[in-house]
Amino acid sequence: AQKITQTQPGMFVQEKEAVTLDCTYDTSDPSYGLFWYKQPSSGEMIFLIYQGSYDQQNATEGRYSLNFQKARKSANLVISASQLGDSAMYFCAMREGYSSASKIIFGSGTRLSIRP
Amino acid sequence: GAVVSQHPSRVICKSGTSVKIECRSLDFQATTMFWYRQFPKQSLMLMATSNEGSKATYEQGVEKDKFLINHASLTLSTLTVTSAHPEDSSFYICSARDDSINTEAFFGQGTRLTVV
Repeated sequence: AQKITQTQPGMFVQEKEAVTLDCTYDTSDPSYGLFWYKQPSSGEMIFLIYQGSYDQQNATEGRYSLNFQKARKSANLVISASQLGDSAMYFCAMREGYSSASKIIFGSGTRLSIRP
Repeated sequence: GAVVSQHPSRVICKSGTSVKIECRSLDFQATTMFWYRQFPKQSLMLMATSNEGSKATYEQGVEKDKFLINHASLTLSTLTVTSAHPEDSSFYICSARDDSINTEAFFGQGTRLTVV
């Protein structure tokens, strides 16, 4: 069964607008972590933001914020004031458990394109 | 921040030969490292979990004799694609988590393997 679902294969957004990338997850483990990574065309995976399942507040990192709705099992990424350099693939990911051996699984990704 | 170095970044090899890919954590110790495979325009698929000093744990459907993993030290894991064939051509990327910090995983730059 799909554990991480990203329903938007592609999105186009005008520069300087805010954009929300959707992510829902499924787990029965009370301890988990949620991640967003950016993958530009070069292939590298760039860590953007992390939310732990016990964190009370939504995570924020600069222009990135994570809208964590635990009851709905959603972890949407919000990018404020989008820039041309934000064009890339974005992956939502989840780790079940908190040990260093807990594996991270990825959603199918959303390709974000920023229009000038 | 923590750095994971993966080498080589690109490799072209002939069918039937073996290719070794290295993944090093440069400034932290990683008891566990992970190897992913990514086909064009697709998500990262976890292949195996590399455990320092013990056998790797392979995901279902991944041939362990085909993809040999060795994790000889706390900072180095290697993936060897044995008797490579054109269908093994893909983007391989490793990740590692700092044993002392229980948050995000850091990724190597990835290796683009082309088997001709």
